[in-house]
This record gives sequence, C-alpha cells and structure tokens, in this order.
Amino acid sequence: NAGVTQTPKFRILKIGQSMTLQCTQDMNHNYMYWYRQDPGMGLKLIYYSVGAGITDKGEVPNGYNVSRSTTEDFPLRLELAAPSQTSVYFCASSYSASSGEQYFGPGTRLTVT
Amino acid sequence: GENVEQHPSTLSVQEGDSAVIKCTYSDSASNYFPWYKQELGKGPQLIIDIRSNVGEKKDQRIAVTLNKTAKHFSLHITETQPEDSAVYFCAARGGADGLTFGKGTHLIIQP
Repeated sequence: NAGVTQTPKFRILKIGQSMTLQCTQDMNHNYMYWYRQDPGMGLKLIYYSVGAGITDKGEVPNGYNVSRSTTEDFPLRLELAAPSQTSVYFCASSYSASSGEQYFGPGTRLTVT
Repeated sequence: GENVEQHPSTLSVQEGDSAVIKCTYSDSASNYFPWYKQELGKGPQLIIDIRSNVGEKKDQRIAVTLNKTAKHFSLHITETQPEDSAVYFCAARGGADGLTFGKGTHLIIQP
C-alpha cells in the first residue's frame, strides 16, 4: 500500500492563479480530510468528506473547494490564489470517524506571490 | 467548536531524561485524543492515542494520560533518545469532522 499520496510536493503560484492539489489513498478509507499548516501553528481543517459524493466545510474553508467523486480521490481546488493561502497542505484519511487513526500524506508546500 | 491548548511550545531535555507535554481541550463531547510526531518535511505520524473511556495508555517508552474531569491529557516520553527530536502535536476529536490540533511542541534532545 502506498497509503496517502499527494501531488505536487511544491508549487509557486502567482496571485489570482488557480490550481488543484491532488490526494489519493489506496486503503479504501471512507473519511478524507484536508488540513493546512502555517508556521508555528497546528493543523487546521479545511474540508472533509465522509464518503464519495459527500463533503463538508471545516474550520477554514474560505477560498477553497473540494469534490469527492471516488473513494480514493479527494482533490482540493484553490481559485484566485491569495498570499494568505501560502501554507503546507496535508491530506489525511481514516477508515471511519470512530476507528481513530488518521493517516497523513507527505504534504504540498504552496507559496503564493 | 473545540479548542486545544498545548504547552510548552519548546522543550529541551538531556538524552535519557523524561519529557512531558501537556494539552487541554474545551469540548466535553470530545472522546478521542491522539498524539502525532512530525519530522522536518514530513506529514504527522500517529505515535499513541487514547479514548475517553481509558485513563492511561502505554507503549514502550511512550505513555499518555487523560483526565476527563479536568479536560487535560499529557504525553510522557521516558529515556529520551536523539531520534525523539521532532515536533509533537496533540489533538482532540468529538465527531466526524476531523481533528482539532494544538500548536505543537518542538522537542529537542540534548546529547
């Protein structure tokens, strides 16, 4: 199992550009999450999904969109990138809400200038 | 929503000594409390977790304690080793909507 994979690893965007951060898991997990991590801070939840076709907002959803068309994939879309979106983005998955462990991907480091 | 406070932000200990990191949470409905270790340039990795029906859990040199009445939980690492140097995060969760993380503790093991 590859676990949770994310692409790209690094990206530099200009203000106003758009991009999609890709996340794939091969563990057949129902639950998937997107977090952002700013320097010296913990991770903050952007969006989550409890299964294919179902998504919901987390703590900091503004400026982002997600979709979940398959169990495996959970892409995060940035429209009109802003400097405030400079961060490291982590995707995670878990089998269920009650089963506990969330498995994290290696992250995508995004800089918006 | 849930709020998790973590202390200290930096902890330096001599190799072989013990390290303790403390967290408090605000939502009494939270029932799952994991601890993650994050090494530079990598994603967080679960090292131990505890559920609300348990007061203490141990795994070799690592232990976690939970006090539901006081709404705080702690990570204890004994006989610290150089490879324990990393950033540690506590987190809490009550439902399906992801984890609420503390701001992290940078643990430094001095040789």
